[in-house]
Amino acid sequence: EIVMTQSPATLSVSPGERATLSCRASQSVSSNLAWYQQKPGQAPRLLIYRASTRATGVPARFSGSGYGTEFALTISSLQSEDFAVYYCQQYSNWPLYTFGQGTKLEIK
Amino acid sequence: DVELWESGGGLVQPGGSLRLSCVASPFTFSSSAMSWVRQTPGKGLEWVASISGTGGTAKHADFVKGRFNISRDNSKNTLYLQMNSLRAEDSAIYYCAKDPGWDYYMDVWGKGTTVTVSS
Repeated sequence: EIVMTQSPATLSVSPGERATLSCRASQSVSSNLAWYQQKPGQAPRLLIYRASTRATGVPARFSGSGYGTEFALTISSLQSEDFAVYYCQQYSNWPLYTFGQGTKLEIK
Repeated sequence: DVELWESGGGLVQPGGSLRLSCVASPFTFSSSAMSWVRQTPGKGLEWVASISGTGGTAKHADFVKGRFNISRDNSKNTLYLQMNSLRAEDSAIYYCAKDPGWDYYMDVWGKGTTVTVSS
């Protein structure tokens, strides 16, 4: 099983500032990496797929990067609606999906 | 927009059974693999099972193998999860999700249905 590790568990950032969330895979997943945003009481929402492609309707302030085992999600200028939990997911070996444990992005 | 709606969750005793359903709004349902993912406060998001667009290939996570079964009825745009021999640790919100048909990430998720296993 490919283990996904996210860091930090919680990130405190002020609105308008930049946030960078990390995700590491225990073995290479190439670019088969997605990022999801989840707000309280809601289902996860796809933000990024193929490590760096924004999903339809996702603002340009969200960007993904990385390949192989190291990935990052960057939010360039945090808006109030961006404070949520973010999960990475690898899908390199369908359907043995695995998710990271999540990073909670909170207001500083 | 494509939408998914889950139903069938509820309170069940340990050892009991439930069948979850996920109905999809009109799209080419058979072109997408479908999955069930569950979420608990303690364990985050966990993949449970997936099934190919035709239904010919189905896979289950080890922790549900032999107890849960994923299936689909493409004529009804519906995905199912038959859950037997339920345990307290199966208590979770269960989401269905689809892939886009040409890749394997989950592009649309339902709102989820809650399963509680308790005596």
